[in-house]
Amino acid sequence: GAGVSQSPSNKVTEKGKDVELRCDPISGHTALYWYRQSLGQGLEFLIYFQGNSAPDKSGLPSDRFSAERTGGSVSTLTIQRTQQEDSAVYLCASSSVETQYFGPGTRLLVL
Amino acid sequence: RKEVEQDPGPFNVPEGATVAFNCTYSNSASQSFFWYRQDCRKEPKLLMSVYSSGNEDGRFTAQLNRASQYISLLIRDSKLSDSATYLCVVLSGNTGKLIFGQGTTLQVKP
Repeated sequence: GAGVSQSPSNKVTEKGKDVELRCDPISGHTALYWYRQSLGQGLEFLIYFQGNSAPDKSGLPSDRFSAERTGGSVSTLTIQRTQQEDSAVYLCASSSVETQYFGPGTRLLVL
Repeated sequence: RKEVEQDPGPFNVPEGATVAFNCTYSNSASQSFFWYRQDCRKEPKLLMSVYSSGNEDGRFTAQLNRASQYISLLIRDSKLSDSATYLCVVLSGNTGKLIFGQGTTLQVKP
């Protein structure tokens, strides 16, 4: 389909390793968001892109987290030196004017 | 204070009941408002937009009160399948960013 896709769908890694999560937004959507959701918790905003620029990075929890978006399309979220508390579902969403469409998420487990 | 606040619940109601959720927002420059639904271990999905005049979609009615800065969602004749978390979402007029509340959990029981 033409929805938001994310990869990998599941990722298990060891503490201290780096991980890279990918988001393919809906074609033509200019805004792209990353969120994190721990089990039973609400959405935690991480970062927001408008085109290739990130006007709001306020949600990134530490300098181990970074994200980029190239060509106004695909975005990658990188977590360096992962910690167990990074375990969560990482959700990406894209939007055109207002309505936001979410991808299925990447379930990250840090052992 | 959070920009968008909701009562987390859970709201436990019997089938057929009417249940209402409220949400307040702090930024008076907010432009657009939405309700999203999130099922367990699934991504959030748009339920309905909220208009100043109020809008209805089947058993669901959404209302906006700009003066008091709150949004409501009313569900009539609750079904078991309505069990989910309902997220209040506000489009910030300053940043153009969508801001999510923490969600209200609804459990409809037989």
